[in-house]
Amino acid sequence: DAKTTQPPSMDCAEGRAANLPCNHSTISGNEYVYWYRQIHSQGPQYIIHGLKNNETNEMASLIITEDRKSSTLILPHATLRDTAVYYCIVRRRNTGTASKLTFGTGTRLQVTL
Amino acid sequence: EAQVTQNPRYLITVTGKKLTVTCSQNMNHEYMSWYRQDPGLGLRQIYYSMNVEVTDKGDVPEGYKVSRKEKRNFPLILESPSPNQTSLYFCASSLVGSETQYFGPGTRLLVL
Repeated sequence: DAKTTQPPSMDCAEGRAANLPCNHSTISGNEYVYWYRQIHSQGPQYIIHGLKNNETNEMASLIITEDRKSSTLILPHATLRDTAVYYCIVRRRNTGTASKLTFGTGTRLQVTL
Repeated sequence: EAQVTQNPRYLITVTGKKLTVTCSQNMNHEYMSWYRQDPGLGLRQIYYSMNVEVTDKGDVPEGYKVSRKEKRNFPLILESPSPNQTSLYFCASSLVGSETQYFGPGTRLLVL
């Protein structure tokens, strides 16, 4: 699975958009980008995933560059409850074999008043 | 409510005293997995199971055992715990082929 690089920490004011970047320059054609988050030692929570098109769900939007070497997770209106560590993961689509998620150290997002 | 439960949530034990951390899910998921999380190392997979009676090693299986006798349960067994197994442990489950894994609340283990 491709390696990802994320900034160790970011701050965001409550109500503003939080844009979390992720570099994955060695991503291969059959690998997806996944985002999970972990709120203070709770179990990680799935947010969103995508291959090459931009994706949006009720939690966030995922913007993947055309060359797929980087992506940005967007929380459109961050709240204090979004304070968490955000993990960007790149791996092949789950085809029914091993579904291991390899978490790096992620980005610690601090949302402030 | 769909969930993954783990017990106990907190455990302090001594070196060599066998222990079991239970994991149960009520979503009829085939796939279950154990991870450990340590500062600066992220989450690392210990063992996983694709279905009943089917288990396999993850990245850091040494010192751990698992069993999958029922679909809903996937206990993690430490036969002879050592201090380097002090960690935060997470159980996860998903449908095979699903992109979403559901994690339990975590078990914080301290081995003295």
